[in-house]
Amino acid sequence: GNSVTQMEGPVTLSEEAFLTINCTYTATGYPSLFWYVQYPGEGLQLLLKATKADDKGSNKGFEATYRKETTSFHLEKGSVQVSDSAVYFCALSMNTGFQKLVFGTGTRLLVSP
Amino acid sequence: NAGVTQTPKFQVLKTGQSMTLQCAQDMNHNSMYWYRQDPGMGLRLIYYSASEGTTDKGEVPNGYNVSRLNKREFSLRLESAAPSQTSVYFCASSAAGAFEETQYFGPGTRLLVL
Repeated sequence: GNSVTQMEGPVTLSEEAFLTINCTYTATGYPSLFWYVQYPGEGLQLLLKATKADDKGSNKGFEATYRKETTSFHLEKGSVQVSDSAVYFCALSMNTGFQKLVFGTGTRLLVSP
Repeated sequence: NAGVTQTPKFQVLKTGQSMTLQCAQDMNHNSMYWYRQDPGMGLRLIYYSASEGTTDKGEVPNGYNVSRLNKREFSLRLESAAPSQTSVYFCASSAAGAFEETQYFGPGTRLLVL
């Protein structure tokens, strides 16, 4: 079946450090890819997405590129802030039929001042 | 706009008790979803409703039932709670369920089954 694999957390960084959170997927066909973020005590919210190979999603300084050849969608940010501390989920949905998101296990990011 | 709201925020049940988790959205969305979130497992889809009047099973439907009461409301019922159903439950909605759409999530219900 379709699946998403994320790097284990927590990822601990100092403010202004560079962030990478790895995400790879397995899918029969061509999925759309998403990054959702969950701040403490809240529900998930969409951070960015890409619907086809080589697309780059970006939002709030975060970006991720859909790499079909490596089946990856790694999340990056050049300079993290304390307010970026959250859990980040990579997810996919197949580009046919009704949307059913398949989530990775989530990666917790902790940013210290 | 409140977005997606869920009640209750927290609930403790004894094994065998029943309860209904409520979800409502005010975005005029057609599609609604119920997920559970367990440590180390991400979110898993329990049931979804593509449109008013329809419901379908997701990845982990056993032990649950749902009702799409109207376009706004989608409830999740546990008929006989088990400790394995201890989890955080999230409701979500999207405009029409198309593959590229954004899902909007509620704040979650934390359920503890003793």
